[in-house]
Amino acid sequence: DAGVIQSPRHEVTEMGQEVTLRCKPISGHNSLFWYRQTMMRGLELLIYFNNNVPIDDSGMPEDRFSAKMPNASFSTLKIQPSEPRDSAVYFCASLSRVYWAEAFFGQGTRLTVV
Amino acid sequence: SQQGEEDPQALSIQEGENATMNCSYKTSINNLQWYRQNSGRGLVHLILIRSNEREKHSGRLRVTLDTSKKSSSLLITASRAADTASYFCATANSGGYQKVTFGIGTKLQVIP
Repeated sequence: DAGVIQSPRHEVTEMGQEVTLRCKPISGHNSLFWYRQTMMRGLELLIYFNNNVPIDDSGMPEDRFSAKMPNASFSTLKIQPSEPRDSAVYFCASLSRVYWAEAFFGQGTRLTVV
Repeated sequence: SQQGEEDPQALSIQEGENATMNCSYKTSINNLQWYRQNSGRGLVHLILIRSNEREKHSGRLRVTLDTSKKSSSLLITASRAADTASYFCATANSGGYQKVTFGIGTKLQVIP
């Protein structure tokens, strides 16, 4: 398996624009997590899905953020409209259904909002 | 919200020395995991310890878990320059769904 795949790797956008980040989890994994990493706040859990259903979105900072998982092999994190303070590295991770499982991370998307 | 908190936040040692990082957490857990992140890269899983385990080894890594104190430690023995990275503990909550949350990390520098 190629691991968790995120796209794009880098995104530079202007304030006010819509940004969509994409994630393909490892095949067979049934949990998917979106994290945001900044120097100030560390690695924050934004939302996680189990069997494509959002379980906990309490980490989503504002209504400008939304996430979907239309099927087991794809998820998106959308920011609309984007703001400079959204600049961060966004990671996606997936977890298998095995009870004592490790999370596998993608390489992240570095988002810069100017 | 952050679950784990690593201590220290930064650590600088000489190559060959041992490095110890600590992690405290707040709620009941299913397991605790340690990850490494090299600058600008994704996180890589190092080791997982279950809530019913007290100690685990993997190569030069030793992890302990004290559920009564809600704390864990990661020991890297005979450190190498290549161990320079940030290290994070992550906890998976007990209960139905495994929600994996991270601490702020320890930045380790190993000086050759």
